[in-house]
Amino acid sequence: DVKVTQSSRYLVKRTGEKVFLECVQDMDHENMFWYRQDPGLGLRLIYFSYDVKMKEKGDIPEGYSVSREKKERFSLILESASTNQTSMYLCASSSGPETQYFGPGTRLLVL
Amino acid sequence: ILNVEQSPQSLHVQEGDSTNFTCSFPSSNFYALHWYRWETAKSPEALFVMTLNGDEKKKGRISATLNTKEGYSYLYIKGSQPEDSATYLCAPPNAGNMLTFGGGTRLMVKP
Repeated sequence: DVKVTQSSRYLVKRTGEKVFLECVQDMDHENMFWYRQDPGLGLRLIYFSYDVKMKEKGDIPEGYSVSREKKERFSLILESASTNQTSMYLCASSSGPETQYFGPGTRLLVL
Repeated sequence: ILNVEQSPQSLHVQEGDSTNFTCSFPSSNFYALHWYRWETAKSPEALFVMTLNGDEKKKGRISATLNTKEGYSYLYIKGSQPEDSATYLCAPPNAGNMLTFGGGTRLMVKP
């Protein structure tokens, strides 16, 4: 069965802290994605990666960076968390431009 | 960034009612349209991938139609049940084959 896992379901951080969100997939997918979801705005793409050590900016990359050192793992980094980064963060993976498989999400609160 | 609109934003229906909602997207350079269902506390789950004008897909009581010339897709649920309560997201790929999600329609079915 397809599986995408995220390191935390809920996270509370303080403004200015460095935050790491980890995502792992076990399907040997080339593509991995990070989205954030805010009420009324749907899922917005932050960054994606189509191969190890490759990354591309999505629609809203400002304030974020990513790391993909291994094919199965894609990390989202908030270098200095701010309150406007309070959101639900979803990771997904896919093989080519096909269906994406999502993790359960991390709800991040930045105080 | 593709302009993808879903309406209505939210919908409350009684158990047994049939319902439908809309996804509008740019009709030029159409490639495919994905529908996802996102239940609370779970991961978004793929429902359909539609590619051809006039396509109709069905999964149990849920069906979807596609009009690529005018740029819309309808999702229908026949005889809604409380377990159909979820946010329904549509997503056409953009020029880079990355999915662009609409804001979603949040469906609540009252028993």
